[in-house]
Amino acid sequence: GENVEQHPSTLSVQEGDSAVIKCTYSDSASNYFPWYKQELGKGPQLIIDIRSNVGEKKDQRIAVTLNKTAKHFSLHITETQPEDSAVYFCAASAYTGGFKTIFGAGTRLFVKA
Amino acid sequence: KAGVTQTPRYLIKTRGQQVTLSCSPISGHRSVSWYQQTPGQGLQFLFEYFSETQRNKGNFPGRFSGRQFSNSRSEMNVSTLELGDSALYLCASSAGFSGSDHEQYFGPGTRLTVT
Repeated sequence: GENVEQHPSTLSVQEGDSAVIKCTYSDSASNYFPWYKQELGKGPQLIIDIRSNVGEKKDQRIAVTLNKTAKHFSLHITETQPEDSAVYFCAASAYTGGFKTIFGAGTRLFVKA
Repeated sequence: KAGVTQTPRYLIKTRGQQVTLSCSPISGHRSVSWYQQTPGQGLQFLFEYFSETQRNKGNFPGRFSGRQFSNSRSEMNVSTLELGDSALYLCASSAGFSGSDHEQYFGPGTRLTVT
């Protein structure tokens, strides 16, 4: 079946350093790739997304890249801050008359001050 | 604009009972998706509703069901609860009119504990 693999499962960086999280998807019908940040006790929050007709998208300190041929996409966070500490999820979504979104297992990011 | 709301936020049930969870999407959004989140399995897709019709379904047993009302509010029901149903149940809404309206916004979730 469809799946999304996400690596690493845990990432610890020093404040100010960059963090990179990578995902691989299997469903060729996927055409929308969102990233979510989840803090303790809250629902996932959409932080950035990319569509299959775009290779890269940036929003301030956050950027996402997509390689549709290799079915890889990545999240890059620059100049990390302690408040970036959270669990990050990648997802791949396909529309086949209805939406179906498959999530990666999540990456727990620790930013040390 | 108000976000996605879910009620109740916390629920404790006994094995064998049934439970109904409620979700109110963002105003104007017509697509509601439900997910189950557990430490072991992560975020798993349950089903998606649009204009009162189930458009897509994940790989969950028939004990899990849902419905959507004409005002886009949605409920999900779990019958004959099992210990393994203990999880955070998340609802997400999106405009959903077409394949380009994927952006989903999540509610805070309902934490269900089955004892």
